[in-house]
Amino acid sequence: DTGVSQDPRHKITKRGQNVTFRCDPISEHNRLYWYRQTLGQGPEFLTYFQNEAQLEKSRLLSDRFSAERPKGSFSTLEIQRTEQGDSAMYLCASSFIPGDYGYTFGSGTRLTVV
Amino acid sequence: DQQVKQNSPSLSVQEGRISILNCDYTNSMFDYFLWYKKYPAEGPTFLISISSIKDKNEDGRFTVFLNKSAKHLSLHIVPSQPGDSAVYFCAARDIQGAQKLVFGQGTRLTINP
Repeated sequence: DTGVSQDPRHKITKRGQNVTFRCDPISEHNRLYWYRQTLGQGPEFLTYFQNEAQLEKSRLLSDRFSAERPKGSFSTLEIQRTEQGDSAMYLCASSFIPGDYGYTFGSGTRLTVV
Repeated sequence: DQQVKQNSPSLSVQEGRISILNCDYTNSMFDYFLWYKKYPAEGPTFLISISSIKDKNEDGRFTVFLNKSAKHLSLHIVPSQPGDSAVYFCAARDIQGAQKLVFGQGTRLTINP
């Protein structure tokens, strides 16, 4: 098991373009989370899946953002019509209920919108 | 509304001495508190946690203290080593719903040789 994998590690895109990120969680983990981290801030919750069901979304997740987790395995996060304010580190994490040890995070995808 | 706050953006400590990182929270619905360590270009790595029903948890050089009445927790690292230099995030787990973690802003710890 190689932990939580995220792809790509870095993405530079022009404003207005669409981007998609992928997260492969630890295989036995049934919970998957997406977070966003901007400079000087801690990670902020975006959305959460239990198996394939998306059960909670933050109000930070505007209509331009969509996340999926088909078959309860990997997940994708898509941002449509990117804006400069979307520039951030996008972190994926997974966990197995009811662990009290917190999540395992991936290394993140650094998005830069120019 | 910042539910978890780390008021010190940075901390510098001499190697071998004790590092104390602080965190305050406002929400009483947190059931676990955690500390994560983050190196540049990597995701946060879990360090140590404490249940809301305890007041201390120790793991090697790392000890976390929880003062529920003050809604305050702290991470003690002793002795501090150069490899401890990183950004440390305090996080609290919301007992409700997604059990999401709410993070503080982070404290950059620098251990000087």
